[in-house]
Amino acid sequence: GENVEQHPSTLSVQEGDSAVIKCTYSDSASNYFPWYKQELGKRPQLIIDIRSNVGEKKDQRIAVTLNKTAKHFSLHITETQPEDSAVYFCAASRGYSTLTFGKGTMLLVSP
Amino acid sequence: DSGVTQTPKHLITATGQRVTLRCSPRSGDLSVYWYQQSLDQGLQFLIQYYNGEERAKGNILERFSAQQFPDLHSELNLSSLELGDSALYFCASSVGASADNEQFFGPGTRLTVL
Repeated sequence: GENVEQHPSTLSVQEGDSAVIKCTYSDSASNYFPWYKQELGKRPQLIIDIRSNVGEKKDQRIAVTLNKTAKHFSLHITETQPEDSAVYFCAASRGYSTLTFGKGTMLLVSP
Repeated sequence: DSGVTQTPKHLITATGQRVTLRCSPRSGDLSVYWYQQSLDQGLQFLIQYYNGEERAKGNILERFSAQQFPDLHSELNLSSLELGDSALYFCASSVGASADNEQFFGPGTRLTVL
């Protein structure tokens, strides 16, 4: 089955800095890669996703890049703000199969 | 608010007991997923139902079972509970059967087994 590894497990940045979270996956047939944000005590929420037919997708301060050859994808957050502090989960699937999640990255943005 | 509801919010019980967690999906969603979240394991997929039928199974123990009813709400039954079953249990719903449909998570049920 699919295996998703996520790094780092904790990331501390200063407000205004950029943050990058990286994930690798094992199944070369995976074609859908969502990112979920989970604030403390809250439910996970989808923030951005990418499919294997594109290499990059942006939504305001958030971007995701995908390297199918290397089987890794990354989340980039620019101009970080304290409200970006949360746990971020990457996931992968073949589309028709279920999501396999990484173990999460706790992002701490200090004012 | 995602539109997905879960009850109860908190559940405290003893080892060996049985509990039932309930989930109501968003209006119009046919898929319900169950996940277990613990500190060291992240989000672990347990099981998926689509329109009343079991669609996919993940790392679900034999002591756990689930079903989806005709009104599309779902229940997760956990029996012979062990200390290690203490976790946050989320359900999520989506429109379609495949995982590339956005999943909307409920607020979760925190289970504590003493």
